[in-house]
Amino acid sequence: DAGITQSPRHKVTETGTPVTLRCHQTENHRYMYWYRQDPGHGLRLIHYSYGVKDTDKGEVSDGYSVSRSKTEDFLLTLESATSSQTSVYFCAISGGPQKGEKLFFGSGTQLSVL
Amino acid sequence: AQTVTQSQPEMSVQEAETVTLSCTYDTSESDYYLFWYKQPPSRQMILVIRQEAYKQQNATENRFSVNFQKAAKSFSLKISDSQLGDAAMYFCAYRSAGTASKLTFGTGTRLQVTL
Repeated sequence: DAGITQSPRHKVTETGTPVTLRCHQTENHRYMYWYRQDPGHGLRLIHYSYGVKDTDKGEVSDGYSVSRSKTEDFLLTLESATSSQTSVYFCAISGGPQKGEKLFFGSGTQLSVL
Repeated sequence: AQTVTQSQPEMSVQEAETVTLSCTYDTSESDYYLFWYKQPPSRQMILVIRQEAYKQQNATENRFSVNFQKAAKSFSLKISDSQLGDAAMYFCAYRSAGTASKLTFGTGTRLQVTL
């Protein structure tokens, strides 16, 4: 299994509070991604990173920001959590074309915003 | 933008039988990858099989195989000799070839395996 750790595994928070989710990898992969999973929508891309300090938006980026100061860590921040951000969040990593384009996922974080 | 469609929200198969999950996609690109991921109740996303668009040969991984029809933009998953452990949510996904390319997922098919 790819070395990806997401923390926390579960979190309950209140509307309006800031929340940061962490993704840590030990594979030294260049690409990292944050997805959210909601019933009826599958997984949708929030933000991704193609290197240290290089990030870009996905299809559902509103209300989220990311940072990547080290190869191994990719942080997802909800500046002011809303109930619509209740979801399961997955981090994923990829080595890119040199690694066969395979994407490996973390175990997910269940976030509930009350 | 690419789209991926899974038209079967739920499927059921008897143990030891064969089942096929459907997936269609829309793209104007010629070089891309297609994937099937399995998500059991544990929530873990597990790569089942991967297909490179420029390869005509259908990918196979043990009991799992695909029927890749590039012209029809169809990518179905066949599970042979179904086992109870195959019960899960299955997602079809598309990814453009190239750096920093992102995965686009379908909405998933929930597979139930019965005795």
